[in-house]
Amino acid sequence: KAGVTQTPRYLIKTRGQQVTLSCSPISGHRSVSWYQQTPGQGLQFLFEYFSETQRNKGNFPGRFSGRQFSNSRSEMNVSTLELGDSALYLCASSLGRGRTDTQYFGPGTRLTVL
Amino acid sequence: QKEVEQNSGPLSVPEGAIASLNCTYSDRGSQSFFWYRQYSGKSPELIMFIYSNGDKEDGRFTAQLNKASQYVSLLIRDSQPSDSATYLCAASGKLQFGAGTQVVVTP
Repeated sequence: KAGVTQTPRYLIKTRGQQVTLSCSPISGHRSVSWYQQTPGQGLQFLFEYFSETQRNKGNFPGRFSGRQFSNSRSEMNVSTLELGDSALYLCASSLGRGRTDTQYFGPGTRLTVL
Repeated sequence: QKEVEQNSGPLSVPEGAIASLNCTYSDRGSQSFFWYRQYSGKSPELIMFIYSNGDKEDGRFTAQLNKASQYVSLLIRDSQPSDSATYLCAASGKLQFGAGTQVVVTP
């Protein structure tokens, strides 16, 4: 079974621009979660989507948004980029049910904001 | 206070020894706990999960859960240089990750 895929793998943007990241979950997985990872803050939860609905949300500003499509693929958008948005953005997919629901991570998108 | 706390390390362990990693959590509603391993520059990969009090063994790894004391631990037996990585503890619910413990296995 194919794993979680994320595109693009690397991205360089300038301040003020916007960016869209894409995540394709493992086949059959209906939940997709997004995380931001930086050396100083560790792994920070952004949001989770399940069956096209946002189920959970972390403490990030409204510039960070996401959506999920009917095939469970998900996109994350960051508008008005700031230097501090430079990070590794990780997507994780899971079945989305039960207490043993386990998340599997994609390889991540490395975003650099100049 | 973060919901999941780990010692950041680095934890230096001689090859062949046991590495012991600890994690505490604050949300008593969390039911399941996960240990991930992350190599530098890579994404986290699942090692194991645990949801019942007690021990759970998988190869050289043993997870221990104590819900009354709200801690989870991971033991790595016969540590190998390939175990050198950052280990992340996570609690279910709104999945919260600890900051990770860096383990360095020295030959």
